[in-house]
Amino acid sequence: DVKVTQSSRYLVKRTGEKVFLECVQDMDHENMFWYRQDPGLGLRLIYFSYDVKMKEKGDIPEGYSVSREKKERFSLILESASTNQTSMYLCASSPEGYNSPLHFGNGTRLTVT
Amino acid sequence: AQSVSQHNHHVILSEAASLELGCNYSYGGTVNLFWYVQYPGQHLQLLLKYFSGDPLVKGIKGFEAEFIKSKFSFNLRKPSVQWSDTAEYFCAVGSSGGGADGLTFGKGTHLIIQP
Repeated sequence: DVKVTQSSRYLVKRTGEKVFLECVQDMDHENMFWYRQDPGLGLRLIYFSYDVKMKEKGDIPEGYSVSREKKERFSLILESASTNQTSMYLCASSPEGYNSPLHFGNGTRLTVT
Repeated sequence: AQSVSQHNHHVILSEAASLELGCNYSYGGTVNLFWYVQYPGQHLQLLLKYFSGDPLVKGIKGFEAEFIKSKFSFNLRKPSVQWSDTAEYFCAVGSSGGGADGLTFGKGTHLIIQP
């Protein structure tokens, strides 16, 4: 069974801090994604990656960056956290191919104060 | 750009009632369609998917969905719901034009089943 592990379940950070959210998948999937989930807004795609060192902007990339140095790990970086980035962040992975079903992690609930 | 609209944000039903959750999408090309479910405290998981072929697809836990191309719809159905179906349900669409560019999700429907 595919496992997508997000390093933290809950995080509390201060405005202006640099924040790293880590995600690891154990099924050798090519594609990895970062979404944020907000009540009433559903899931919105921040960034995705289809290969090591490759990244593509999603629908809401502003204020975020990503890093994929190894196939199994995909990091989301908030360069200078702001209160409007308080949210649930979901990492997902999928095997190669168009629109393969996504496998999600449990999420990281980030609060920026 | 593609978009997904889920008609109901909150639905409350009694056990054994029939369920239909609406989903419409906008996209001019060929699409792949998905329903995901998030049970309380759990991660999102795939309920069912449509890529091609029979427009009536069956998923886990007795759920099914029908793709109606002329209506740009992919409604989720279950003939008789159970208390354990209480969850948030998300419809998602991906273009089949190429690339692994992620899915576009609807805003979700929060389903509450009363015993």
